[in-house]
Amino acid sequence: DTGVSQNPRHKITKRGQNVTFRCDPISEHNRLYWYRQTLGQGPEFLTYFQNEAQLEKSRLLSDRFSAERPKGSFSTLEIQRTEQGDSAMYLCASSSYRGAQETQYFGPGTRLLVL
Amino acid sequence: QQQVKQSPQSLIVQKGGISIINCAYENTAFDYFPWYQQFPGKGPALLIAIRPDVSEKKEGRFTISFNKSAKQFSLHIMDSQPGDSATYFCAARRRTNQAGTALIFGKGTTLSVSS
Repeated sequence: DTGVSQNPRHKITKRGQNVTFRCDPISEHNRLYWYRQTLGQGPEFLTYFQNEAQLEKSRLLSDRFSAERPKGSFSTLEIQRTEQGDSAMYLCASSSYRGAQETQYFGPGTRLLVL
Repeated sequence: QQQVKQSPQSLIVQKGGISIINCAYENTAFDYFPWYQQFPGKGPALLIAIRPDVSEKKEGRFTISFNKSAKQFSLHIMDSQPGDSATYFCAARRRTNQAGTALIFGKGTTLSVSS
Protein backbone atom coordinates (compact mmCIF):
# COMPACT_ATOMS: atom_id res chain seq x y z
CA ASP A 1 0.00 0.00 0.00
CA THR A 2 1.59 3.27 -1.09
CA GLY A 3 -0.90 5.61 0.59
CA VAL A 4 -0.56 7.60 3.79
CA SER A 5 -0.49 5.32 6.82
CA GLN A 6 -1.21 6.18 10.42
CA ASN A 7 -0.64 4.25 13.63
CA PRO A 8 -2.28 3.37 15.83
CA ARG A 9 -5.72 3.43 14.27
CA HIS A 10 -7.41 3.64 17.66
CA LYS A 11 -6.19 4.79 21.06
CA ILE A 12 -8.02 4.85 24.35
CA THR A 13 -6.30 6.60 27.21
CA LYS A 14 -7.05 8.06 30.59
CA ARG A 15 -7.13 11.76 31.21
CA GLY A 16 -3.68 13.06 32.07
CA GLN A 17 -1.74 10.44 30.11
CA ASN A 18 0.54 11.21 27.17
CA VAL A 19 -0.12 9.75 23.73
CA THR A 20 1.89 9.70 20.52
CA PHE A 21 0.66 9.10 17.00
CA ARG A 22 2.69 8.32 13.92
CA CYS A 23 2.14 9.24 10.29
CA ASP A 24 4.02 7.80 7.33
CA PRO A 25 3.40 9.95 4.26
CA ILE A 26 3.46 8.90 0.65
CA SER A 27 7.10 8.53 -0.27
CA GLU A 28 8.60 11.55 -2.02
CA HIS A 29 5.92 13.86 -0.63
CA ASN A 30 7.72 16.78 0.95
CA ARG A 31 4.69 18.32 2.68
CA LEU A 32 2.91 16.82 5.64
CA TYR A 33 -0.16 18.15 7.44
CA TRP A 34 -1.95 17.25 10.66
CA TYR A 35 -5.67 17.88 11.04
CA ARG A 36 -8.15 17.13 13.79
CA GLN A 37 -11.72 16.04 13.11
CA THR A 38 -14.44 15.90 15.73
CA LEU A 39 -17.79 14.22 15.29
CA GLY A 40 -20.01 15.98 12.78
CA GLN A 41 -17.33 18.45 11.75
CA GLY A 42 -14.87 18.83 8.93
CA PRO A 43 -11.15 18.41 9.53
CA GLU A 44 -9.42 21.39 11.17
CA PHE A 45 -5.83 22.29 10.37
CA LEU A 46 -3.33 21.81 13.19
CA THR A 47 0.16 22.06 11.76
CA TYR A 48 2.22 21.68 8.61
CA PHE A 49 5.73 20.56 7.67
CA GLN A 50 7.72 21.13 4.57
CA ASN A 51 10.45 18.50 4.70
CA GLU A 52 11.63 18.57 8.34
CA ALA A 53 10.68 22.19 9.01
CA GLN A 54 7.46 22.90 10.90
CA LEU A 55 6.28 26.02 9.13
CA GLU A 56 2.95 26.76 10.75
CA LYS A 57 0.97 25.85 13.84
CA SER A 58 -2.71 26.58 14.27
CA ARG A 59 -3.89 28.27 17.45
CA LEU A 60 -5.81 25.00 17.99
CA LEU A 61 -2.43 23.44 18.77
CA SER A 62 -2.01 24.16 22.46
CA ASP A 63 1.27 23.87 24.33
CA ARG A 64 0.35 20.29 25.20
CA PHE A 65 0.67 19.34 21.55
CA SER A 66 3.97 18.83 19.78
CA ALA A 67 4.74 17.52 16.34
CA GLU A 68 7.98 16.48 14.75
CA ARG A 69 9.15 15.29 11.39
CA PRO A 70 12.74 14.18 11.77
CA LYS A 71 14.62 13.75 8.51
CA GLY A 72 11.58 14.91 6.58
CA SER A 73 10.02 11.46 6.42
CA PHE A 74 7.52 10.18 9.00
CA SER A 75 5.95 12.49 11.54
CA THR A 76 4.79 12.12 15.14
CA LEU A 77 2.14 14.05 17.00
CA GLU A 78 2.34 13.93 20.79
CA ILE A 79 -0.33 15.10 23.18
CA GLN A 80 0.77 15.56 26.77
CA ARG A 81 -1.57 15.48 29.76
CA THR A 82 -4.55 14.52 27.62
CA GLU A 83 -7.95 16.04 28.32
CA GLN A 84 -11.40 14.74 27.41
CA GLY A 85 -11.69 17.55 24.88
CA ASP A 86 -8.79 16.02 22.96
CA SER A 87 -11.01 13.10 21.93
CA ALA A 88 -11.15 13.27 18.15
CA MET A 89 -9.90 11.74 14.93
CA TYR A 90 -6.39 12.90 14.13
CA LEU A 91 -5.73 12.93 10.40
CA CYS A 92 -2.46 13.17 8.57
CA ALA A 93 -2.17 14.26 4.96
CA SER A 94 0.77 14.53 2.61
CA SER A 95 1.32 16.28 -0.68
CA SER A 96 3.86 17.01 -3.31
CA TYR A 97 3.65 20.63 -4.26
CA ARG A 98 2.93 21.17 -7.95
CA GLY A 99 1.93 24.79 -7.94
CA ALA A 100 -1.79 25.44 -7.98
CA GLN A 101 -2.66 21.77 -8.30
CA GLU A 102 -1.35 20.57 -4.95
CA THR A 103 -3.46 17.66 -3.73
CA GLN A 104 -3.47 16.55 -0.13
CA TYR A 105 -3.85 12.81 0.37
CA PHE A 106 -5.24 11.79 3.72
CA GLY A 107 -4.47 8.79 5.84
CA PRO A 108 -7.15 6.73 7.63
CA GLY A 109 -6.70 8.67 10.86
CA THR A 110 -6.08 7.80 14.49
CA ARG A 111 -9.19 7.90 16.63
CA LEU A 112 -8.41 9.04 20.16
CA LEU A 113 -10.75 8.56 23.09
CA VAL A 114 -9.79 10.17 26.39
CA LEU A 115 -11.66 8.76 29.36
CA GLN B 1 -16.04 32.59 12.21
CA GLN B 2 -16.75 29.82 9.76
CA GLN B 3 -14.92 30.56 6.54
CA VAL B 4 -16.58 27.83 4.44
CA LYS B 5 -20.29 27.26 4.91
CA GLN B 6 -21.76 24.02 3.58
CA SER B 7 -25.37 22.97 3.12
CA PRO B 8 -27.42 20.91 3.52
CA GLN B 9 -26.20 19.04 6.59
CA SER B 10 -27.84 15.86 5.32
CA LEU B 11 -29.40 14.75 2.06
CA ILE B 12 -31.48 11.79 1.00
CA VAL B 13 -31.70 11.05 -2.72
CA GLN B 14 -33.25 8.19 -4.62
CA LYS B 15 -31.07 5.99 -6.76
CA GLY B 16 -30.60 7.59 -10.15
CA GLY B 17 -31.37 11.07 -8.86
CA ILE B 18 -29.17 14.16 -8.70
CA SER B 19 -27.45 15.09 -5.45
CA ILE B 20 -26.56 18.75 -4.99
CA ILE B 21 -24.39 20.11 -2.20
CA ASN B 22 -23.64 23.80 -1.85
CA CYS B 23 -20.78 25.75 -0.31
CA ALA B 24 -20.07 29.42 0.20
CA TYR B 25 -16.85 31.09 1.20
CA GLU B 26 -15.81 34.48 2.47
CA ASN B 27 -12.10 34.83 1.89
CA THR B 28 -11.30 35.99 -1.63
CA ALA B 29 -7.71 34.84 -1.16
CA PHE B 30 -8.75 31.20 -1.47
CA ASP B 31 -7.34 29.81 -4.70
CA TYR B 32 -8.33 26.16 -4.92
CA PHE B 33 -11.55 24.39 -4.03
CA PRO B 34 -11.52 20.59 -3.60
CA TRP B 35 -14.33 18.26 -2.64
CA TYR B 36 -13.56 15.28 -0.44
CA GLN B 37 -15.58 12.11 0.12
CA GLN B 38 -15.35 10.30 3.44
CA PHE B 39 -16.69 6.88 4.38
CA PRO B 40 -17.12 5.89 8.04
CA GLY B 41 -13.82 5.01 9.65
CA LYS B 42 -11.80 6.26 6.69
CA GLY B 43 -9.86 9.40 5.92
CA PRO B 44 -11.20 11.90 3.39
CA ALA B 45 -10.44 11.10 -0.26
CA LEU B 46 -10.21 13.73 -2.98
CA LEU B 47 -13.16 13.56 -5.35
CA ILE B 48 -12.80 16.54 -7.64
CA ALA B 49 -11.35 20.06 -7.43
CA ILE B 50 -11.62 23.39 -9.21
CA ARG B 51 -9.76 26.66 -9.46
CA PRO B 52 -11.63 30.00 -9.38
CA ASP B 53 -10.79 30.85 -12.99
CA VAL B 54 -12.97 27.96 -14.16
CA SER B 55 -16.78 28.01 -13.92
CA GLU B 56 -17.40 24.29 -14.24
CA LYS B 57 -15.48 21.04 -14.07
CA LYS B 58 -16.85 17.60 -14.79
CA GLU B 59 -15.36 14.22 -14.00
CA GLY B 60 -17.63 11.30 -14.73
CA ARG B 61 -20.83 11.68 -12.70
CA PHE B 62 -19.36 14.48 -10.58
CA THR B 63 -19.52 18.15 -11.55
CA ILE B 64 -18.37 21.26 -9.71
CA SER B 65 -20.06 24.54 -10.56
CA PHE B 66 -18.22 27.66 -9.43
CA ASN B 67 -19.60 31.20 -9.14
CA LYS B 68 -16.72 33.52 -8.33
CA SER B 69 -18.77 36.70 -8.02
CA ALA B 70 -21.18 35.07 -5.57
CA LYS B 71 -18.35 33.23 -3.78
CA GLN B 72 -20.26 29.99 -4.06
CA PHE B 73 -19.56 26.55 -5.46
CA SER B 74 -21.51 23.35 -5.61
CA LEU B 75 -21.09 19.63 -6.21
CA HIS B 76 -23.56 17.80 -8.42
CA ILE B 77 -23.65 14.02 -8.40
CA MET B 78 -25.55 12.71 -11.39
CA ASP B 79 -27.23 9.30 -11.42
CA SER B 80 -26.60 8.92 -7.70
CA GLN B 81 -25.87 5.35 -6.56
CA PRO B 82 -26.09 3.65 -3.16
CA GLY B 83 -22.29 3.42 -3.21
CA ASP B 84 -22.18 7.22 -3.19
CA SER B 85 -23.63 7.22 0.33
CA ALA B 86 -20.93 8.98 2.35
CA THR B 87 -20.07 12.32 3.91
CA TYR B 88 -18.94 15.00 1.50
CA PHE B 89 -16.79 17.96 2.47
CA CYS B 90 -16.10 21.05 0.46
CA ALA B 91 -12.86 22.82 1.21
CA ALA B 92 -10.95 25.91 0.25
CA ARG B 93 -7.22 26.32 0.18
CA ARG B 94 -5.63 29.30 1.80
CA ARG B 95 -2.05 30.33 1.71
CA THR B 96 -0.27 30.00 5.03
CA ASN B 97 2.39 32.48 5.99
CA GLN B 98 5.14 30.26 4.64
CA ALA B 99 3.67 29.46 1.25
CA GLY B 100 2.01 26.31 2.54
CA THR B 101 -1.51 25.37 1.70
CA ALA B 102 -3.80 24.58 4.61
CA LEU B 103 -7.31 23.45 3.71
CA ILE B 104 -10.37 25.00 5.35
CA PHE B 105 -13.23 22.50 5.38
CA GLY B 106 -16.98 22.89 5.54
CA LYS B 107 -18.90 20.95 8.16
CA GLY B 108 -19.88 18.20 5.77
CA THR B 109 -23.00 16.78 4.16
CA THR B 110 -24.12 13.25 4.86
CA LEU B 111 -25.58 11.79 1.68
CA SER B 112 -27.81 8.74 1.69
CA VAL B 113 -28.84 7.25 -1.62
CA SER B 114 -31.80 4.95 -1.28
CA SER B 115 -32.24 2.00 -3.57
